[in-house]
Amino acid sequence: EPEVTQTPSHQVTQMGQEVILRCVPISNHLYFYWYRQILGQKVEFLVSFYNNEISEKSEIFDDQFSVERPDGSNFTLKIRSTKLEDSAMYFCAISRDRDSPLHFGNGTRLTVT
Amino acid sequence: AQKITQTQPGMFVQEKEAVTLDCTYDTSDPSYGLFWYKQPSSGEMIFLIYQGSYDQQNATEGRYSLNFQKARKSANLVISASQLGDSAMYFCAMRVGSGGSNYKLTFGKGTLLTVNP
Repeated sequence: EPEVTQTPSHQVTQMGQEVILRCVPISNHLYFYWYRQILGQKVEFLVSFYNNEISEKSEIFDDQFSVERPDGSNFTLKIRSTKLEDSAMYFCAISRDRDSPLHFGNGTRLTVT
Repeated sequence: AQKITQTQPGMFVQEKEAVTLDCTYDTSDPSYGLFWYKQPSSGEMIFLIYQGSYDQQNATEGRYSLNFQKARKSANLVISASQLGDSAMYFCAMRVGSGGSNYKLTFGKGTLLTVNP
């Protein structure tokens, strides 16, 4: 059983639309992350989230992106106005602490048309 | 800056044989962790094995072992007794720092392993 579940598994949206990707850990974790993988390319770090705030973000994570844990369990990534180049697989990842392995969800494949 | 290099875009191995997937890394931080992940065609990222920079012994997890050569900055993954289900993309990744550092992993480009029957 995966330690984290992502929904939806696949989302198709039109350019300019907002999307929200969701991540639900099955048990308590302290550290949350979003990564993305453009088709055929390597996995890239987007943002890390700890103690209900962003602790680090990459250059990719611009003003169009935001993250939150609205109810203390779900961890969401919002893209306000999607662009064609946002098409990618988005992975949520979790770890119990800084020294534990990072476990990824099954990913959400986002297609922007 | 941290860098992970996987020089083998693709590898082939016969079923039941062992295979080594190469990974070299570059960092000036003395504290770091090295990871291997498996990504099947279905897309999920599966954690395989972890090696810390201060670990004295090479990590092992079932059929997976990590050949950690610190002086050469290499962390090769060895898969023994390959199975057809091992066919997948394999990524090497590195985390640097400790204490206040977060889990920002830097990934290599991956190696596509194909196990032939």
